[in-house]
Amino acid sequence: DAGVIQSPRHEVTEMGQEVTLRCKPISGHNSLFWYRQTMMRGLELLIYFNNNVPIDDSGMPEDRFSAKMPNASFSTLKIQPSEPRDSAVYFCASSSHTDTQYFGPGTRLTVL
Amino acid sequence: QKEVEQDPGPLSVPEGAIVSLNCTYSNSAFQYFMWYRQYSRKGPELLMYTYSSGNKEDGRFTAQVDKSSKYISLFIRDSQPSDSATYLCATNAGGTSYGKLTFGQGTILTVHP
Repeated sequence: DAGVIQSPRHEVTEMGQEVTLRCKPISGHNSLFWYRQTMMRGLELLIYFNNNVPIDDSGMPEDRFSAKMPNASFSTLKIQPSEPRDSAVYFCASSSHTDTQYFGPGTRLTVL
Repeated sequence: QKEVEQDPGPLSVPEGAIVSLNCTYSNSAFQYFMWYRQYSRKGPELLMYTYSSGNKEDGRFTAQVDKSSKYISLFIRDSQPSDSATYLCATNAGGTSYGKLTFGQGTILTVHP
């Protein structure tokens, strides 16, 4: 089993640029989660989907952030425009009818 | 105040020591409690999962939940250098919000030979 796949693993961009992070959940999992991890704030849930439908996006920091899940095997998290305070590690996780969430390796984002 | 509080450490212990990691939470609706382990530059992985108050043991690891005091603990016996990682407690209320985990800050643990 390949596990949750995230790309890119590292992203360095300049302030104002659009950033798109991608996630492929584990096959058969019906829930997908996007998290952000920083030293200051720890691991925070941004949004989660159930059966491709966004269920709770209350953790999305502001309108610059958007997430989509067009099908069961793909999701994107987009930041437009990006700001230096968006620098963090972004994790995608998936689960199947349980509370056990399987995390991907993360995308380390640096906004200069 | 955060809903889940966890001392970030860092915590450094010698190999073979018993390690105690703790979290407190404020939301009485939380019913499910988890411990995740995160190695450096990796994603968190589930270590222990408990529902009710009491103890749950898995090898060298014991998870303890005291709902009356809103206190959760993870004990590691005979700690090994391979246990060096960040340990995050997590909880959720279940029901319609079963997927919405709230994490503690994480405790950085180093076990030195």
